[in-house]
Amino acid sequence: GIQVEQSPPDLILQEGANSTLRCNFSDSVNNLQWFHQNPWGQLINLFYIPSGTKQNGRLSATTVATERYSLLYISSSQTTDSGVYFCAVKENAGNMLTFGGGTRLMVKP
Amino acid sequence: DAGVTQSPTHLIKTRGQQVTLRCSPKSGHDTVSWYQQALGQGPQFIFQYYEEEERQRGNFPDRFSGHQFPNYSSELNVNALLLGDSALYLCASSLRQSGNTIYFGEGSWLTVV
Repeated sequence: GIQVEQSPPDLILQEGANSTLRCNFSDSVNNLQWFHQNPWGQLINLFYIPSGTKQNGRLSATTVATERYSLLYISSSQTTDSGVYFCAVKENAGNMLTFGGGTRLMVKP
Repeated sequence: DAGVTQSPTHLIKTRGQQVTLRCSPKSGHDTVSWYQQALGQGPQFIFQYYEEEERQRGNFPDRFSGHQFPNYSSELNVNALLLGDSALYLCASSLRQSGNTIYFGEGSWLTVV
């Protein structure tokens, strides 16, 4: 099956700093989503981005499907950005999302 | 617009027991998937239901079974619970036709003792 790798696995930032999270995947996909998992476990949709670039406030994401990677940018980080960020993909033939191992982000005040 | 709702939110079971978890999909969605998330890991796909049938299954034993009802809600059943079944169980819903954004519920935290 498809492999999804996220980097870095852990990230500590000072409030106000910027960061870039990366997601590499091993095969063609027709669905790629970024999620933020809050401390209570809920996965919050950030972006549906199988290709191209999207922005939502301080967050933006870019997926280069031909090179099989996606980037999530967080600008002017806030303590509420802390949590785990997951990238998940769906192969062209299939119904399931395959998740990466996540990036655990801690933003310090 | 109600999102994906799951129940119960937390439960504790004893080894060997059986458990049923419930999920109501987001309004307008017809496809429900279940995921298991062990501590410190990413969610793992268990199975997906559409039109009341299991459409795809991940690498989980037959102890894990499910059902989808005519109103699109779903249940996940786990028999003969093992300590290793302790995890967060997440329900996800989507609209099969569009197949785009997939939404998750808040999950059910299962502890097996």
